[in-house]
Amino acid sequence: KQEVTQIPAALSVPEGENLVLNCSFTDSAIYNLQWFRQDPGKGLTSLLLIQSSQREQTSGRLNASLDKSSGRSTLYIAASQPGDSATYLCAVNTNAGKSTFGDGTTLTVKP
Amino acid sequence: EAGVAQSPRYKIIEKRQSVAFWCNPISGHATLYWYQQILGQGPKLLIQFQNNGVVDDSQLPKDRFSAERLKGVDSTLKIQPAKLEDSAVYLCASSPGRGQATSGNTIYFGEGSWLTVV
Repeated sequence: KQEVTQIPAALSVPEGENLVLNCSFTDSAIYNLQWFRQDPGKGLTSLLLIQSSQREQTSGRLNASLDKSSGRSTLYIAASQPGDSATYLCAVNTNAGKSTFGDGTTLTVKP
Repeated sequence: EAGVAQSPRYKIIEKRQSVAFWCNPISGHATLYWYQQILGQGPKLLIQFQNNGVVDDSQLPKDRFSAERLKGVDSTLKIQPAKLEDSAVYLCASSPGRGQATSGNTIYFGEGSWLTVV
């Protein structure tokens, strides 16, 4: 059974700092991995999708990496801003379309 | 393009009562998901539809939860009777193809229906 762990559970940083969020999974037989953002009281917004054959994906100040063999993914946020404050979730997906989510990392960026 | 619509946004019921949630996915999306998200945890898949057929309902508590997707478009999720531990956000999501297994495919979430059982 796939298990997804996100560490740390919460993170607080000053504005402008670069930071890394971690996601680890137990079964490396994945199809792709997706990072989401969730604002309080809202649904999930997809940030980046990495296929199992890819090593990384970039979108603006966000960069996600994937090391399938070690069961790890990281989300790097450059030059953090208060508007980046949210909960970040990773989801690991099988080729049958089944997703397993981590419990998320709640990020607070202080002005 | 309109997003995934859900209603009601908030519901408070007493235990043993029933409740129903409605979801309208993005137009043309074949796959529809219902997730349960308990506060402080990640979403857990309850049921996945491909058009109007069930692909995965292995984590749906079938003694009290039921879901249907009529004509492969809208969907309803029902809980009867509700228990205190059902208090959660119920997220509906949709994607164009066979879920996230399709290359480059992505999943779109609604804003959720917040259920409190007292």
